[in-house]
Amino acid sequence: DIQLTQSPSFLSASVGDRVTISCRASQVITSYLAWYQQKPGKAPKLLIYAASTLESGAPSRFSGSGSGTEFTLTISSLQPEDFGTYYCQYLNNYPLTFGQGTRLEIK
Amino acid sequence: EVQLLESGGGLVQPGGSLRLSCAASGFTFSSYVMSWVRQAPGKGLEWVSAISGGGGSIYYADSVKGRFTISRDNSKNTLYLQMNSLRVEDKAVYYCAKHKISWRDGMDYWGQGTLVTVSS
Repeated sequence: DIQLTQSPSFLSASVGDRVTISCRASQVITSYLAWYQQKPGKAPKLLIYAASTLESGAPSRFSGSGSGTEFTLTISSLQPEDFGTYYCQYLNNYPLTFGQGTRLEIK
Repeated sequence: EVQLLESGGGLVQPGGSLRLSCAASGFTFSSYVMSWVRQAPGKGLEWVSAISGGGGSIYYADSVKGRFTISRDNSKNTLYLQMNSLRVEDKAVYYCAKHKISWRDGMDYWGQGTLVTVSS
């Protein structure tokens, strides 16, 4: 099975900062990788799919990139409402593995 | 408007059973792959099971294989998760989630979750 490792596990950044979160796969995967944002006590929200396609309704400051084993979620200019935990997910085949999550705190 | 409403969670003793339901509305239910995803308290997301639109293809995480059964009733727009032989480590909030029309593009709608507690 594919393993996804996110880094960092915790991130503290200021409003306006450019933030990057990494997701590394245990082997080469296709671009069927998604990113989700989850706020405390709430269900996750899809932000990015197919590694780089912005989900309808997601703010344009979010972007995704990568291929092979290395994928990145970037927030171009951090906003106060961007706090929460971010997860990547592998979707090319079952099981549909999630990364362990990156908790983002706003300084 | 797409809505997913889970029910059926609660407290059960180890070795017991529960059946979760997820009532769907606002989309053509039978056209979409559906998944169950769980989250243990303070932990990350864990995909549990998925079922194709017609119900003919079913997949499970190794952690639940042989104990949990996913099913759907397209006439009732409802997804189910039958959980047997429950363990303490199955305690979690269970979410049902709708995949995008291309299932590999991720889960675009989620329910609010239902809490399952396994304790003696």
